[in-house]
Amino acid sequence: QVQLVQSGAEVKKPGASVKVSCKASGYTFTGYYMHWVRQAPGQGLEWMGWINPNSGGTNYAQKFQGRVTMTRDTSISTAYMELSRLRSDDTAVYYCARDRTPELLLGYYYYGMDVWGQGTTVTVSS
Amino acid sequence: EIVLTQSPGTLSLSPGERATLSCRASQSVSSSYLAWYQQKPGQAPRLLIYGASSRATGIPDRFSGSGSGTDFTLTISRLEPEDFAVYYCQQYGSPPSLLFGQGTRLEIK
Repeated sequence: QVQLVQSGAEVKKPGASVKVSCKASGYTFTGYYMHWVRQAPGQGLEWMGWINPNSGGTNYAQKFQGRVTMTRDTSISTAYMELSRLRSDDTAVYYCARDRTPELLLGYYYYGMDVWGQGTTVTVSS
Repeated sequence: EIVLTQSPGTLSLSPGERATLSCRASQSVSSSYLAWYQQKPGQAPRLLIYGASSRATGIPDRFSGSGSGTDFTLTISRLEPEDFAVYYCQQYGSPPSLLFGQGTRLEIK
């Protein structure tokens, strides 16, 4: 079945970096954009950016520009999100989510994020 | 910059009742770009509606979406016990970016 499996929980100190992985299975990894979304404790959902697994092209939310890097390894159908210069308010659950929109329709229609990883808890604490 | 405002913040209803959740955009949004998600505690969000009114695969027909311009609505016709959760609207915007509303908590009365 189609699924996204994320790496395990991380505890980091302020100023450090964290890299979360998201392994896709059950579908053609390069056929769908991948988003990263985070959720701070008790808060709502926050979009961080996306990566086109086919080209490696990325688009980051302005808030995270300069601190986030999204990459992929097509040989193992895995996407990565690295966040640097961590602060305490980066403590959150980080999700990867597949964009169901066909690439040809991007900008014309949005089919939503139809498959989500289980989430990775990142705790930033001194 | 578009802002999505969901109301009410919390909605208290009983099973069997009808739920109406609102998502208002600060400027006009194409209905093609509006989605709704459900999130239960400790779980990842689940896609309910895309294109403002199309149900995602496997979503029961008691869930429906409507609206255009700046006002969008998610309606649950008859609440089932498993429907009590937090609901988020989401907009795909330009330049390519995505934005979530702050969420509506649907709780059992």
